Amino acid sequence: EAGVAQSPRYKIIEKRQSVAFWCNPISGHATLYWYQQILGQGPKLLIQFQNNGVVDDSQLPKDRFSAERLKGVDSTLKIQPAKLEDSAVYLCASSSHGAVGVDTQYFGPGTRLTVL
Amino acid sequence: DQQVKQNSPSLSVQEGRISILNCDYTNSMFDYFLWYKKYPAEGPTFLISISSIKDKNEDGRFTVFLNKSAKHLSLHIVPSQPGDSAVYFCAARGNDMRFGAGTRLTVKP
Repeated sequence: EAGVAQSPRYKIIEKRQSVAFWCNPISGHATLYWYQQILGQGPKLLIQFQNNGVVDDSQLPKDRFSAERLKGVDSTLKIQPAKLEDSAVYLCASSSHGAVGVDTQYFGPGTRLTVL
Repeated sequence: DQQVKQNSPSLSVQEGRISILNCDYTNSMFDYFLWYKKYPAEGPTFLISISSIKDKNEDGRFTVFLNKSAKHLSLHIVPSQPGDSAVYFCAARGNDMRFGAGTRLTVKP
């Protein structure tokens, strides 16, 4: 079974530029998550999709971040314009509800963003 | 707001000994707790979980203990192996998933 795919793996941009990340979840997984992991911290949820609908985007800085999941499969996360504090690893994860109470998330390798 | 805390940024143990990683939480509404392991340049991978209605879950060398009254959980690895060297994240599920900052475990041969 193929895992969660993300691209690019690394991205360096200057502040005020735009950037987009792509995620392809595990086949059949209805739920997709985007996390931001700043160096030295744990992952922080930015947005959660159930199929192509948004379940939770309460921690997404909507003035500069946007995400979509057209057709309920692939997803893109965009930052426009980027700030220095956006430097982080952006992780995509997917899950399908298996056994009762279990909602194991499978993570992609992440995209490391550096904003100069 | 740090609802999930891992107060030890790093831990070093000898191969064959026990590794104990700790995690504290503040939100009593969390109903599920998970541990993830992360190697460099890879995403976190699920390791073991425990429901809030249990106090222990075991899977091979890995055991997670939950003390609800103390809002504390721990991950025990016995015996520790060099391949266990990684960053371990504690996570708790409420309305969403909250992660601790991670503990870097180094197992020395």
